Amino acid sequence: EAGVAQSPRYKIIEKRQSVAFWCNPISGHATLYWYQQILGQGPKLLIQFQNNGVVDDSQLPKDRFSAERLKGVDSTLKIQPAKLEDSAVYLCASSPKVQGDYYNEQFFGPGTRLTVL
Amino acid sequence: QKEVEQNSGPLSVPEGAIASLNCTYSDRGSQSFFWYRQYSGKSPELIMSIYSNGDKEDGRFTAQLNKASQYVSLLIRDSQPSDSATYLCALLGGKLSFGAGTTVTVRA
Repeated sequence: EAGVAQSPRYKIIEKRQSVAFWCNPISGHATLYWYQQILGQGPKLLIQFQNNGVVDDSQLPKDRFSAERLKGVDSTLKIQPAKLEDSAVYLCASSPKVQGDYYNEQFFGPGTRLTVL
Repeated sequence: QKEVEQNSGPLSVPEGAIASLNCTYSDRGSQSFFWYRQYSGKSPELIMSIYSNGDKEDGRFTAQLNKASQYVSLLIRDSQPSDSATYLCALLGGKLSFGAGTTVTVRA
């Protein structure tokens, strides 16, 4: 079974530029998550999709971050404009379970390391 | 109080010893608890999940959950150099919340 795919793996941009990340979850997984992991911290949930609907985006900085999951499969996360503090690893994860399911085990992709200069 | 707190580490143990990792949490409504291992520069990998009070063993790993005291722990027996990584505690309440992680170094 193929894992969660993400691209690009690395991205360096200057502040105020825009950037987009792509994620393809494990086939058949209903739920998709985007996390931000700053060095030395645990992952922080940015947004959770169930199929193509948003379940939780309470921690997404909506003035600069946006995400979509068209057709309930692939997803993109965009930052526009980027700030220095956005430097982090952006992780995509997927789960076969749905919101509220007790056994919500998540599988992570390799991540995209973003550096904002 | 943070939602999920882990011992700050780093934790250094000799090869063959037991590494003990602790995690406390504030949300009494949390139902599911997970331990992820994260090697440097890699993404988190699920190693244990536990849902009810007591112990759960899987190979050299044992997870312990005590909901009344709001803690979950992970024991790594017969520690190997390949166990050197950061271990993240995570719990599922309304969303999956992670601790900051404890870095474990196994000395050969």
